[in-house]
Formats: sequence, structure tokens, C-alpha cells
Amino acid sequence: DARVTQTPRHKVTEMGQEVTMRCQPILGHNTVFWYRQTMMQGLELLAYFRNRAPLDDSGMPKDRFSAEMPDATLATLKIQPSEPRDSAVYFCASGLDRAGNTIYFGEGSWLTVV
Amino acid sequence: QKEVEQDPGPLSVPEGAIVSLNCTYSNSAFQYFMWYRQYSRKGPELLMYTYSSGNKEDGRFTAQVDKSSKYISLFIRDSQPSDSATYLCAMSDNAGNMLTFGGGTRLMVKP
Repeated sequence: DARVTQTPRHKVTEMGQEVTMRCQPILGHNTVFWYRQTMMQGLELLAYFRNRAPLDDSGMPKDRFSAEMPDATLATLKIQPSEPRDSAVYFCASGLDRAGNTIYFGEGSWLTVV
Repeated sequence: QKEVEQDPGPLSVPEGAIVSLNCTYSNSAFQYFMWYRQYSRKGPELLMYTYSSGNKEDGRFTAQVDKSSKYISLFIRDSQPSDSATYLCAMSDNAGNMLTFGGGTRLMVKP
């Protein structure tokens, strides 16, 4: 049963601490997306990778957020330093880069910054 | 104005009712239309997929696309409490699998 795996599922951290979220995309998928979901803003695209290359990170606050794909089986989203306004659910999704193809989401990383 | 607009709800209906969920969009390049269902504290999961205009039926669910009006709908017949979730519409053009999402509609089906 292929699925996107995200860790940690839940994280509570203090303001100013570094937070790293990890994602294992579905094997064979060549696009990876990071989304943030809040009640107010809904799903916001933070970063988008194709074949491990970052294509779009315009939705990501550059001063504190960074996203990387060290290899095809791992994507990371890092926040340093974290702030209370970063509290949200962070979703990773993966898919095949082909017109009309859909994407598959992980279960999310629930972040609370106090 | 957002590219994809969706009423956030919540929409509350009695069990057995027919539910209609809708999205409007502004980008005429969108060709592929999807509905995702998201249960509380879970990730979105693909529910329905439609290419271009027309209808698609899957059990109690029917997805409808009207490209001339830039309007898509999801109908749920004989709604069940287990259908209570947030429903997100999503769409893409011919350039790849980048999706544009609506904000989601929260549906509550009461027994």
C-alpha cells in the first residue's frame, strides 16, 4: 500500500527552536509538494520539487523556512527560528509530473509553537 | 480574488439528504478537476476525478463540470454521517500536476 509518510506527526516546540519535518514520497513519484494548512488560509503551497530540483518556493517565508530534497526518498522542511504564527498542519504530497495526474497527501505534521 | 472560490460552510444536512458542493474558478486553462475529502486530523484523499466537461458518477458521488460557466459541483446522494468531512476542489491545466485548491467546504451530516 503505497503512501506518503511524514514525521513527526505531532510536534510542540518553544518559540525560537528549530523544527525539521520529513517526508518520504511514494516510490517512483518525481514531484513533491509542501503545503501548510490553517483555518484562516486553507491549503497554502510552500514549496514544489520536480526530480529533486526546487521549482517554486514563492509561498515560503525565505527568512526562516527552507526546503530540500537530499535524495529521491526524502524531502525536508525546516523552520529556524520557529514562531507561534507557524503553528499549523504541514502536509507533504507527491505525484508523477504529467498533465492531469493527481497528487497524494501524507497524514500531516501538526506543529504547535508556544 | 482567488483563482478557485469555494464556500467554506459549514454545511449541515440531515442523514439521507442530497448534498451539493460547488466551486467556481477563473482560469480557463484548467482541464482536470478533482475533489478531495479530508477527515478531521487527516490528510486530503482523492475522491473524484474528471477531465474537461461532463459528469462522472461513482456510487453515491457525482462530479459535474461546466467549463462554459467555470463551475464544478460534487453531489452526494443519500448522505451518511460518515460523509462528514471537509471537501476540497482542486484543478490543473495541461502543464503538469500542480494543483490549485479551493479553500474547502466543511460538511456535517447529522443522524
